[in-house]
Amino acid sequence: DSGVTQTPKHLITATGQRVTLRCSPRSGDLSVYWYQQSLDQGLQFLIQYYNGEERAKGNILERFSAQQFPDLHSELNLSSLELGDSALYFCASSVGPGSQPQHFGDGTRLSIL
Amino acid sequence: GESVGLHLPTLSVQEGDNSIINCAYSNSASDYFIWYKQESGKGPQFIIDIRSNMDKRQGQRVTVLLNKTVKHLSLQIAATQPGDSAVYFCAETRPSGSRLTFGEGTQLTVNP
Repeated sequence: DSGVTQTPKHLITATGQRVTLRCSPRSGDLSVYWYQQSLDQGLQFLIQYYNGEERAKGNILERFSAQQFPDLHSELNLSSLELGDSALYFCASSVGPGSQPQHFGDGTRLSIL
Repeated sequence: GESVGLHLPTLSVQEGDNSIINCAYSNSASDYFIWYKQESGKGPQFIIDIRSNMDKRQGQRVTVLLNKTVKHLSLQIAATQPGDSAVYFCAETRPSGSRLTFGEGTQLTVNP
């Protein structure tokens, strides 16, 4: 058990809809990272937050946004969903802004019908 | 573009044998490398890491070797067990960086 909690485990929705994925980092970790894992792109970094502030951004679509709350949990919002957004979305956490290793949750599997 | 990639997509070994999983990286500025194990339905699980000022690091049954000259990383698993069956990813990050860049992954299958 990594200590990183993600909910929900599975999400099924339709094109055009909006969903919110939630992540609670390990106790004591201030950094949260979001990654997308798809069959054709592998594991890709989306965005990082540290202590409530955006720290780094990867190839995250404009339709996607994230935030980190004062209690350090984070949410990834995906809107105007397309079939190609079907993937596993992982959250990871680490102690500091650039500290390693990152510890991963078990992900949310998003299926767009 | 810059990437971290794996040489082989699949590896099949007999229980008790040693396994070697390879990884090539392209960015000579990378200074931190990490191996993750991902079992079906689970997230990547940290196995072992190594910084660029080291050539070798050992853990319990696992060893990571780093060859900066040829930009190559390997994970050795001793006495491979059925529970080691999973996909293994290498990942790298750069100085002052935080994001991990992952390789493609190698599916390790351990036959009893």
